[in-house]
Amino acid sequence: GQQLNQSPQSMFIQEGEDVSMNCTSSSIFNTWLWYKQDPGEGPVLLIALYKAGELTSNGRLTAQFGITRKDSFLNISASIPSDVGIYFCAGQRDSNYQLIWGAGTKLIIKP
Amino acid sequence: NAGVTQTPKFRILKIGQSMTLQCAQDMNHNYMYWYRQDPGMGLKLIYYSVGAGITDKGEVPNGYNVSRSTTEDFPLRLELAAPSQTSVYFCASRGDSPNTEAFFGQGTRLTVV
Repeated sequence: GQQLNQSPQSMFIQEGEDVSMNCTSSSIFNTWLWYKQDPGEGPVLLIALYKAGELTSNGRLTAQFGITRKDSFLNISASIPSDVGIYFCAGQRDSNYQLIWGAGTKLIIKP
Repeated sequence: NAGVTQTPKFRILKIGQSMTLQCAQDMNHNYMYWYRQDPGMGLKLIYYSVGAGITDKGEVPNGYNVSRSTTEDFPLRLELAAPSQTSVYFCASRGDSPNTEAFFGQGTRLTVV
């Protein structure tokens, strides 16, 4: 089936550091979404991108929709302990709004 | 604000048993989805529905069935549970507008032994 390649798989960072993760696909998507999942919870939407080249911020989070429509990145600035969790990218097909998901980036903050 | 409610939260099944995972939403959303999430992986679409009475297969439908008799409810049925169906199952719903987000339930953790 169709896949998104999300990297890195996990990140160990110090509090206060900036974080960057990305997703690439062999197919074009019209919408890119970034979710965060905490243990025992469902994914929660962080940022939605609807237009190629779009750069959108949500507090300390910034995400971009790649010009080719085959990639997206998410940056987190000045990480804090509550940023810990798993971050997923998802590409949305317009037909019935189905989501294709990356495998996730696990963010761990070193004490 | 209930949103998307999934029951049960946890379940252990023996091989060959059947069960129904319940999903209900109170947002009057037409679109509903069932995903499964295996360890270290992203979500994979099992089945989806675009409205009451309409369902369709996703990426990994084998071993599952769904029904959508009402807008609110979208149950997922496992007929003959297999160890490969051990996973966390998420239900989601969304409205009709293109630029609207999907809301997820808290998940059902299923173990088949």
